[in-house]
Amino acid sequence: QSVLTQPPSASGTPGQRVTISCSGSSSNVGNNVVNWYQHLPGRAPKLLIYSDDQRPSGVPARFSGSKSGTSASLAISGLQSDDEADYYCASADDTLNGYVFGPGTKVTVL
Amino acid sequence: EGQLAESGGGLVQPGGSLKLSCGASGFFFSLQSMNWVRQAPGKGLEWISYISSRSTAEYYADSVQGRFTISRDNAKNSLYLQMNSLRADDTAVYFCARGLGNTNYRTHRFDIWGQGTLVTVSS
Repeated sequence: QSVLTQPPSASGTPGQRVTISCSGSSSNVGNNVVNWYQHLPGRAPKLLIYSDDQRPSGVPARFSGSKSGTSASLAISGLQSDDEADYYCASADDTLNGYVFGPGTKVTVL
Repeated sequence: EGQLAESGGGLVQPGGSLKLSCGASGFFFSLQSMNWVRQAPGKGLEWISYISSRSTAEYYADSVQGRFTISRDNAKNSLYLQMNSLRADDTAVYFCARGLGNTNYRTHRFDIWGQGTLVTVSS
């Protein structure tokens, strides 16, 4: 059981905006940066957002991140069929002396 | 753009050992921290181990502490994971991932990932 909490699923129609939450505590999200990863089965995970709200080069501006206190969010605007994937938040954890991933959110494009 | 490629996965009996390798190319391997992350069948991603660029620091998840050992050979641009006392719940795809950030590992993000290697623990 992860110390980070994410909804198991999220969905939307093409073009809609979907938001995924990530809730933690003062030992992880509240005191460390949050990164977001996109993972398709059988593929290597891909870094989407780092340091709470930064996009690596090549990641579309449709993906955005934010953080407030012990909660973070990933927003996907202009939802596309290619966005169907599992999305994970991750953060370092000061108590565990390592990193933790959220349980993942499966995004479905209806 | 750098690349990582894992190898060494396979079928092993409970209680057995296995050593995974991860070859790096396209970036200065010796300057970067590295990690192992796994995904069990039907489960999410789980970080399991970190090693600093010069092997001065190692961290492990509680689930593998005392059984797994991370190491690296910067001269060979290679990362390793020695897995001992394997259990059925260690069955997973194992990914190596580069940790990118400043000197504080807590700021790192995993920006380059390999395709993974499957480890199956079963009798």
